[in-house]
Amino acid sequence: AQSVTQLDSQVPVFEEAPVELRCNYSSSVSVYLFWYVQYPNQGLQLLLKYLSGSTLVESINGFEAEFNKSQTSFHLRKPSVHISDTAEYFCAVSGQTGGTSYGKLTFGQGTILTVHP
Amino acid sequence: NAGVTQTPKFRVLKTGQSMTLLCAQDMNHEYMYWYRQDPGMGLRLIHYSVGEGTTAKGEVPDGYNVSRLKKQNFLLGLESAAPSQTSVYFCASSYPQGQTEAFFGQGTRLTVV
Repeated sequence: AQSVTQLDSQVPVFEEAPVELRCNYSSSVSVYLFWYVQYPNQGLQLLLKYLSGSTLVESINGFEAEFNKSQTSFHLRKPSVHISDTAEYFCAVSGQTGGTSYGKLTFGQGTILTVHP
Repeated sequence: NAGVTQTPKFRVLKTGQSMTLLCAQDMNHEYMYWYRQDPGMGLRLIHYSVGEGTTAKGEVPDGYNVSRLKKQNFLLGLESAAPSQTSVYFCASSYPQGQTEAFFGQGTRLTVV
């Protein structure tokens, strides 16, 4: 069984400030880790993912996340946010191939990031 | 490419009515999923399919049925809608390899009154 906890339901920040959205997970098997973003009235889009290798992964729009196995965390960070980053962010895990995960995702509760001018 | 398309986008049902949500993907993905999104609860898996003709229960399957008669389509049915099924429903699809991302549709907002 897997579970994901996003520690903050809402994070308000000012434009150009740094931000960290926290995510912790638990799982009895090895996992893949994902961050998805949902803009208002839209579906989910993949922001970044950790599969293996380097524990620091980056997105094309300046976000990064670091996989910390000992702390079972996958926190999302951005050094300087923009108004357009306002959205809801979901952390998710999937069991690795070879078991019976079939790509099923377990999501956290979501964190609403609001960037103020 | 259209990706994952859901119809309808909005629907209001009366308690006890039935309806079917349609999901279509044009990426030749083997795996398809139905999730529901409720405030403060993230997305929860209802049912999923690992190939044409196969379906399986997810975390919250009660009150829903699904069918995958064609590889590109995944239908979600509500036989007798209840107010507790008021939610936003998302369909997603992916390749069999777990490391590939899931692609999501735009969602169906369902209200049961």
